[in-house]
Amino acid sequence: EVQLVQSGAEVKKPGESLKISCKGSGYIFSNYWIGWVRQMPGKGLEWMGIIYPGDSDTNYSPSFQGQVTISVDKSISTAYLQWSSLRASDTAMYYCAKSADSIQTRWYFDLWGRGTPVTVSS
Amino acid sequence: DIQMTQFPSTLSASVGDRVTISCRASQSISNWLAWYQQKPGKAPNLLIYRASTLQSGVPSRFSGSGSGREFTLTISSLQPDDFATYYCQQYDTYSNTFGQGTKLEIK
Repeated sequence: EVQLVQSGAEVKKPGESLKISCKGSGYIFSNYWIGWVRQMPGKGLEWMGIIYPGDSDTNYSPSFQGQVTISVDKSISTAYLQWSSLRASDTAMYYCAKSADSIQTRWYFDLWGRGTPVTVSS
Repeated sequence: DIQMTQFPSTLSASVGDRVTISCRASQSISNWLAWYQQKPGKAPNLLIYRASTLQSGVPSRFSGSGSGREFTLTISSLQPDDFATYYCQQYDTYSNTFGQGTKLEIK
């Protein structure tokens, strides 16, 4: 079965660091870009950035550049999203998603993880 | 970033209605546009890509059209399962963006 399995819910304090994960299976993980999408409570989808597991090529939205780090370990088919210092405003659901096209750098997503809820509160 | 504006933000309709949701890009994106459906507490689901190509497994009552800056998602005959929030996404540039969403409610 083709799927993306995300790590579990996180509750953190402001200033703490965090790394959440997204493991792909059922397809050639290295060949498809993995994107990250934020959804704040009651709000819409925000495209954060994307990584190509084959060579770790990464693109960030200007809104998230410098705020988060996207990385990958292709040996275990897992992509990561990390923060060095969380803020209350990082409270959101975070989805990883697989790009549908393995060739083009045109990224629409045909497979999504279930999401990782992150709560940042003192 | 390219800005994507969806309208209306909320749409009330009845089962069997034909509905249209619009999405406008701040600059031309050719036909690099996708539509997603999201239900409460669930991840989004791809409906349409390349502005008008139906994703495998998506019912044929969904259709997409447009190019350049103006795009539409049409549901030909609303079914109870279609009440959800719909998002457009441009993927023309290396920094993609989503529209703010259109919530389709039962009238």
